[in-house]
Amino acid sequence: IQLTQSPSSLSASVGDRVTITCRASQGISSYLAWYQQKPGKAPKLLIYAASTLQSGVPSRFSGSGSGTDFTLTISSLQPEDFATYYCQHQNTFGQGTKLEIK
Amino acid sequence: EVQLVQSGAEVKKPGESLKISCKGSGYSFTSYWIGWVRQMPGKGLEWMGIIYPGDSDTRYSPSFQGQVTISADKSISTAYLQWSSLKASDTAMYYCARTYYDSTGLLDYWGQGTLVTVSS
Repeated sequence: IQLTQSPSSLSASVGDRVTITCRASQGISSYLAWYQQKPGKAPKLLIYAASTLQSGVPSRFSGSGSGTDFTLTISSLQPEDFATYYCQHQNTFGQGTKLEIK
Repeated sequence: EVQLVQSGAEVKKPGESLKISCKGSGYSFTSYWIGWVRQMPGKGLEWMGIIYPGDSDTRYSPSFQGQVTISADKSISTAYLQWSSLKASDTAMYYCARTYYDSTGLLDYWGQGTLVTVSS
């Protein structure tokens, strides 16, 4: 299975609503996780089972989708959200989406 | 509190061997899988393999099978990643993480990473 994220990079402003997409090469039901990685830090689990928020993750993060198409949405960008985001299914990661400040 | 603490940065020469570690605490170490993830400089995340410390059952990504060895010592709650002969292309950050050998394979707690530099 391959996971393709889009876009690869994205510029946005504080307060913007942002959506990142992850497409699987074949159906994976809802078995998808999302991670956030800041420079020099380990990845952090944000969402699993496509839409379940990991404990402690702010509610401005949400996930949706099933089958082959998934989205990660940040409803109102905060300064600390500028990072790289990865989707993952079992032994496969997407290539990452770098979210930068406009 | 679940914690995974990895061993420190390493600088090695090509051809040398290396074993890095990942010590778990705050949970039942033998009841969860531990995974290893590689991140080459400026690149994305790559799933290397996983081990179940309870019985040392191990799974490898085809890309890493035969290139590294994953092991664990449950008596000291520690997992390992080792190389018998390093190459310059092994230069990367390596993360361990608690994981699940199931339909998602999510990684919920991560170590801080071990930077391995291989250079002559």
